[in-house]
Amino acid sequence: DAMVIQNPRYQVTQFGKPVTLSCSQTLNHNVMYWYQQKSSQAPKLLFHYYDKDFNNEADTPDNFQSRRPNTSFCFLDIRSPGLGDAAMYLCATSRVNDGAEKLFFGSGTQLSVL
Amino acid sequence: GQNIDQPTEMTATEGAIVQINCTYQTSGFNGLFWYQQHAGEAPTFLSYNVLDGLEEKGRFSSFLSRSKGYSYLLLKELQMKDSASYLCAAMDSNYQLIWGAGTKLIIKP
Repeated sequence: DAMVIQNPRYQVTQFGKPVTLSCSQTLNHNVMYWYQQKSSQAPKLLFHYYDKDFNNEADTPDNFQSRRPNTSFCFLDIRSPGLGDAAMYLCATSRVNDGAEKLFFGSGTQLSVL
Repeated sequence: GQNIDQPTEMTATEGAIVQINCTYQTSGFNGLFWYQQHAGEAPTFLSYNVLDGLEEKGRFSSFLSRSKGYSYLLLKELQMKDSASYLCAAMDSNYQLIWGAGTKLIIKP
């Protein structure tokens, strides 16, 4: 089945130790998103790619970087995780054709920072 | 500014009906989405409204009033598995989603 896959499902890292979260999709969607979601809060958009065009939200900390080497894959790099970065990280895709399209989410990566 | 308001938590009884309200303010409008999110899981799409009126899909229905900046999600014949958070999200003129914090729905037997 076509889907959005995130690995790993749970990630534990140490304070200040770089970590990379991955996302792949078989939907051939041209837009990919990274969201951060903390408990009982709205998902917060960190980045999105429209094809190869990278869009960084104004309030996304410099500590967060992203890469999209091809249509299918997208990575979220946290260079020096702090305790406040513990959250669920959601990857999503959509097929935007000059109109509103729903987002398809991966299962998320729950990041813990020790 | 842009924002979404929805109740933080609601409680309902198994078999009953519940209505979750959402009000939105966005720069332009390209539709209103509802997502369901079980604890520790990713959101899953429930409905999309861009025109005024009621969209029915099985036990779930969604309503939109663009003039009032208002939507609701109606859940009928509640089941225990409906216990989840329900996220309202409005799409602005740049096709960016503005998300609410979600309404946690607790179903009691």
